[in-house]
Amino acid sequence: EVQLVESGGGLVQPGRSLRLSCAASGFPFDDFGMSWVRQRPRKGLEWVAGIIWDSGDKAYADSVKGRFTISRDNAKKFVYLQMNSLRVEDTALYYCAKPLSPGSPWDDSFSTWGQGTMVTVSS
Amino acid sequence: QSVLTQPPSVSGAPGQRVTISCTGSSSNIGAGYYVHWYLQLPGTAPKLLIYGDTNRPSGVPDRFSGSKSGTSASLAITGLQAEDEADYYCQSYDSSLSGSVFGGGTKLTVL
Repeated sequence: EVQLVESGGGLVQPGRSLRLSCAASGFPFDDFGMSWVRQRPRKGLEWVAGIIWDSGDKAYADSVKGRFTISRDNAKKFVYLQMNSLRVEDTALYYCAKPLSPGSPWDDSFSTWGQGTMVTVSS
Repeated sequence: QSVLTQPPSVSGAPGQRVTISCTGSSSNIGAGYYVHWYLQLPGTAPKLLIYGDTNRPSGVPDRFSGSKSGTSASLAITGLQAEDEADYYCQSYDSSLSGSVFGGGTKLTVL
């Protein structure tokens, strides 16, 4: 069974950092790009960042560019989201998402989602 | 303000047909990039309903169908059922933003 399990969320003050993790299982992880998608409370979905299978290319939403960094460890089957200089508006449920097909993770559909990890940025 | 525009809400009676629109621009849907659709029940992760404009993943009933024309796409749901009540999102790629974009979401109410 394809499974994604996020962790690392929590309450953090504005300006601080947090690192999210996503553990993947049930599929050939190093064949697939991966993405992070967030959902602010009672709001819609927002794609945040994506990384291709070998970390050779990454992409970010303008709202997080320069503050967030996506990375992956194919040996451990993990994808990470390092979030620096956090803002109140980064408060959201962060989902790890696997694209339907191998290749670019930011122009494909997302066939598998984790349960999400909540990040709350507040003083 | 979402790059892809969806109506905030739609409604229909059981058994009826409803459509949800998703309007983009020349840098996303109009450029030929695929449109995908998701269903999200309260408190759960989104579920893929339609991929590549018109394709259904296995397990998705054929009551759900997708179409695309110009800078817009639509999700049609026929034979509405109470369990279809959920939020629906469209998604595509935007070449100007060099990333994936979602619509603002549409809440479907089954009357």
